[in-house]
Parts: sequence; C-alpha cells; structure tokens
Amino acid sequence: ETGVTQSPTHLIKTRGQQVTLRCSSQSGHNTVSWYQQALGQGPQFIFQYYREEENGRGNFPPRFSGLQFPNYSSELNVNALELDDSALYLCASTGQGSYNEQFFGPGTRLTVL
Amino acid sequence: AQSVTQLDSQVPVFEEAPVELRCNYSSSVSVYLFWYVQYPNQGLQLLLKYLSGSTLVKGINGFEAEFNKSQTSFHLRKPSVHISDTAEYFCAVSLVSGGGADGLTFGKGTHLIIQP
Repeated sequence: ETGVTQSPTHLIKTRGQQVTLRCSSQSGHNTVSWYQQALGQGPQFIFQYYREEENGRGNFPPRFSGLQFPNYSSELNVNALELDDSALYLCASTGQGSYNEQFFGPGTRLTVL
Repeated sequence: AQSVTQLDSQVPVFEEAPVELRCNYSSSVSVYLFWYVQYPNQGLQLLLKYLSGSTLVKGINGFEAEFNKSQTSFHLRKPSVHISDTAEYFCAVSLVSGGGADGLTFGKGTHLIIQP
C-alpha cells in the first residue's frame, strides 16, 4: 500500500509569485485535503476535494485554489504569494467511509522571500 | 464553530515516567476526536481516534486516551515514555455531521520532551 506523497519537498519563492504543490493520495483513497502549518502552530484546513470537486473550504482567500484529477491526485495553487504564506503545506487523503480519518504526507516546506 | 485547546505547549518528562497531554475541545455538535504525532521534519501520523463506544481508546506505541464528554476533554496518556517519543503531539476534532468536508480542526500542539 503506497502512502501519501508530496512534491517538491522544499520550495523557495519571492513575494508576488505563484506556486503549485502536488500530492498523490494513498492507494484507494478518493478524498484529498490540504492544510497549512505555520511554524509553531497546528495545521489549518485549507480545502478538501472529492470526485474532482471542492466540497469544503476553510478560512483561506480565493488565491488559494486546487485541483483533483481522475486518479485522485491533487494540486494546491497559491497566487500572489505573501510572506505569511511561508509554511509547511500538508496533504492528507481519506478513504470512503473512514470517519474523516486522514493520512498525511510528509509536506512541502514553502519559503516566501 | 469548533475549537481545540491544548493546555501545555511543552511537557518535559523523564524517561520511563508516565505522561499525560491535555486536550479540551469546544463544539455545539458531536465530534470525532483524534491524536496525531509529528516527528521533526515529517508529516503527521495518527496515534488514535475516538469515534463512538468505549471512552477509553488505545492507539499505537503504547498510547491511550480517554474521552470525557462532560468535561469535553480527550487527554492522551502513556504509562512509560521513551526517548523516541520526543515529538510534537496534536489533538484534532472533526464534525460528525460534516462528512469530513470541514476538515480537521487542530490544537496548537504540545511538544513532548523526554529527558534521560
């Protein structure tokens, strides 16, 4: 059984740029969620994708957007990067009927300069 | 909206001593409860979960937690810790009614420091 994978591991961008982060869900999982974890904080829910549609969103502005593909992999796109977007971005996948038990990937560390 | 409070940002404990990490939550509706562990430079790993039934739940690595509905708490315990337990621990909740679409709401974490 393959776990959740994310790429890239680390990324450095400058303010105003755009970034795309990628996630492959655990085998058999059809739901993907994205979280932002600032230094010293708990993860914060960005949004969730199910059947290629966004079906839930946290308190994040529209410049945070995503996609889910037919193979259940997902992308997180962030436009007009701000310094405060520097964080660890975590992807998590969930299987059907699993009571929102989420399996997390290792994360992508984004630094905005 | 639901919220999670982890009362201690850091807990230092001597090796082989018992430990309790405290978690309280606030929600007007039923929730599922989770504890995750995060080792340095890694993602989160599920330790245990409470969905329903017995209020004492056992997880991996010798951890257990007790759900107390009247006190809205879900404290994590281990009778004897090891150096390898040094990590960040997160308590999280999920709305039962939300079907998962609201995601998990996390506390700010507790850094467990094991001293030799």
